[in-house]
Amino acid sequence: QKEVEQNSGPLSVPEGAIASLNCTYSDRVSQSFFWYRQYSGKSPELIMSIYSNGDKEDGRFTAQLNKASQYVSLLIRDSQPSDSATYLCAVGGSGNTGKLIFGQGTTLQVKP
Amino acid sequence: EPEVTQTPSHQVTQMGQEVILRCVPISNHLYFYWYRQILGQKVEFLVSFYNNEISEKSEIFDDQFSVERPDGSNFTLKIRSTKLEDSAMYFCASSTSGTSTGELFFGEGSRLTVL
Repeated sequence: QKEVEQNSGPLSVPEGAIASLNCTYSDRVSQSFFWYRQYSGKSPELIMSIYSNGDKEDGRFTAQLNKASQYVSLLIRDSQPSDSATYLCAVGGSGNTGKLIFGQGTTLQVKP
Repeated sequence: EPEVTQTPSHQVTQMGQEVILRCVPISNHLYFYWYRQILGQKVEFLVSFYNNEISEKSEIFDDQFSVERPDGSNFTLKIRSTKLEDSAMYFCASSTSGTSTGELFFGEGSRLTVL
């Protein structure tokens, strides 16, 4: 069974701090990795995608991928109270179907 | 900005009844998906659909489930005989690519409550 694991949290950080969210996955052949943000009662919203080892930056967000360690992370700089949400790590399944396997999500609380 | 739209936003039904959830994917997308999320649990893949046929389905997607693209815009999920455990939020998603590098965009979801 292919798994994606995240610490459910909550992760609490003060406003302006860096929030670090982590995810591990079990399928070594996975090639695509995504971070989604989900507010309570809402749908997942795509924040970042990453396909190659290393860092990818987009505004206040940086995704990091290490395929050898089967590890992907998301850094949020200058965290804002509006960043408070559940962050879902998703990994592309094998094959050509676009299926995603989601982790259980990490709840982030940014305190003013 | 183009978006995936879903109807209804909330449906309450009696156990054993049939339910149809509807989705309008983003217009230039070719790959369509249904996911579900039981309250407090992970988002789970149900089915992917491309070129008018199912390309992959999960163990959850058993014979009581079916999908259809009845016209050029709608994509539907039918649950033939609902069970209590079908209560969940159902998300439709679409993407331009079915490869593992495709980015999925989700609709706002349809909350199904089975009594």
